[in-house]
Amino acid sequence: GQQLNQSPQSMFIQEGEDVSMNCTSSSIFNTWLWYKQDPGEGPVLLIALYKAGELTSNGRLTAQFGITRKDSFLNISASIPSDVGIYFCAGSGGSNYKLTFGKGTLLTVNP
Amino acid sequence: EAQVTQNPRYLITVTGKKLTVTCSQNMNHEYMSWYRQDPGLGLRQIYYSMNVEVTDKGDVPEGYKVSRKEKRNFPLILESPSPNQTSLYFCATQGLAGGLRLEYFGPGTRLTVT
Repeated sequence: GQQLNQSPQSMFIQEGEDVSMNCTSSSIFNTWLWYKQDPGEGPVLLIALYKAGELTSNGRLTAQFGITRKDSFLNISASIPSDVGIYFCAGSGGSNYKLTFGKGTLLTVNP
Repeated sequence: EAQVTQNPRYLITVTGKKLTVTCSQNMNHEYMSWYRQDPGLGLRQIYYSMNVEVTDKGDVPEGYKVSRKEKRNFPLILESPSPNQTSLYFCATQGLAGGLRLEYFGPGTRLTVT
């Protein structure tokens, strides 16, 4: 089956710093989605990417769909304490719309 | 407001006692799925449904059943729960929004099987 490698597994940063995390796939995806999960809650969709090379922003968040269609990254600029949480990438490449998820990046922001 | 609801949110039960976790969505989405989330393993798909009366196995279907008798509901059934099914469960729906295909998650159900 499809494999997604997400890195880093965890990050500890100071408020105001920029953050970058990425996902790589063993196979080509047609869609990349990035989610954030707060403790005790369901994942919330942050950004969706549908075209190779696409760069999309949502406030302080920027994500890119890699040209090879096997990778994606998420940047968070000027981090704030409420950015704390687990960030997941997810990709879809099949006709059954099935999403494959990365294992998540745990972000901690120190005030 | 677009919503995916799950009930119950928390459940503690004993081995072998059948249980059902309900999922309902008001977005008229055809595609629904169930995931379980475990530490170090991420989100893994249990079952999915592409439409009413159409269901299929995901990555970890053993020990679970689902049904899709109507578009808005997609219950997850554990006929004989075992401790290894202790997990955090999420229902999700997927549909088109502004021409883009997006997946939305419910708030989760934390299940403990003793």
